[in-house]
Amino acid sequence: ETGVTQTPRHLVMGMTNKKSLKCEQHLGHNAMYWYKQSAKKPLELMFVYSLEERVENNSVPSRFSPECPNSSHLFLHLHTLQPEDSALYLCASSQGRGPNYGYTFGSGTRLTVV
Amino acid sequence: KNQVEQSPQSLIILEGKNCTLQCNYTVSPFSNLRWYKQDTGRGPVSLTIMTFSENTKSNGRYTATLDADTKQSSLHITASQLSDSASYICVVSRTLGNNDMRFGAGTRLTVKP
Repeated sequence: ETGVTQTPRHLVMGMTNKKSLKCEQHLGHNAMYWYKQSAKKPLELMFVYSLEERVENNSVPSRFSPECPNSSHLFLHLHTLQPEDSALYLCASSQGRGPNYGYTFGSGTRLTVV
Repeated sequence: KNQVEQSPQSLIILEGKNCTLQCNYTVSPFSNLRWYKQDTGRGPVSLTIMTFSENTKSNGRYTATLDADTKQSSLHITASQLSDSASYICVVSRTLGNNDMRFGAGTRLTVKP
């Protein structure tokens, strides 16, 4: 257990469905992130939250909607996704923001859009 | 072109053999470089972190090197084990900005008995 828990581990959804991914950390970290990992590609940063405030949104389509109700929880709400959105979605947290703070990653949610 | 390039893309070796993975970067200004190990179905886990002044750092059978002049790093795995089968990701951070981390696409290592 890495300290960052993601649920569900696997998700299959149709293009018209609405689902949510959940991330929880009990490390006392102040920043949380969503990354998308596609096969043979570098991790792509999607959203950054610092002290529950969204501080970065890397041109992610509006069909992805993040929510951070408190410093321990992060959600990614999904609706009307496309097949190309199929990927591993990773949540990470860090104690602070800046190059000296390493990330702790969750195990990810493997998403398949059919 | 990605600012962090890793090679090879994939590698198969026999158990007990050594191997070296490469990472070339153009990220600037450089702050530090991390190597992560990602097992199948899991998230990445940090192996080492190296700053500008460090040339080498070891973590058990893993040894990372850094040449900041040529902007190259390598990860050497000694006496490989089946459990070393994973993807190894190189991540370079800039000194500017908060969390400006650039990820490589990873090297997929398979260790066979």
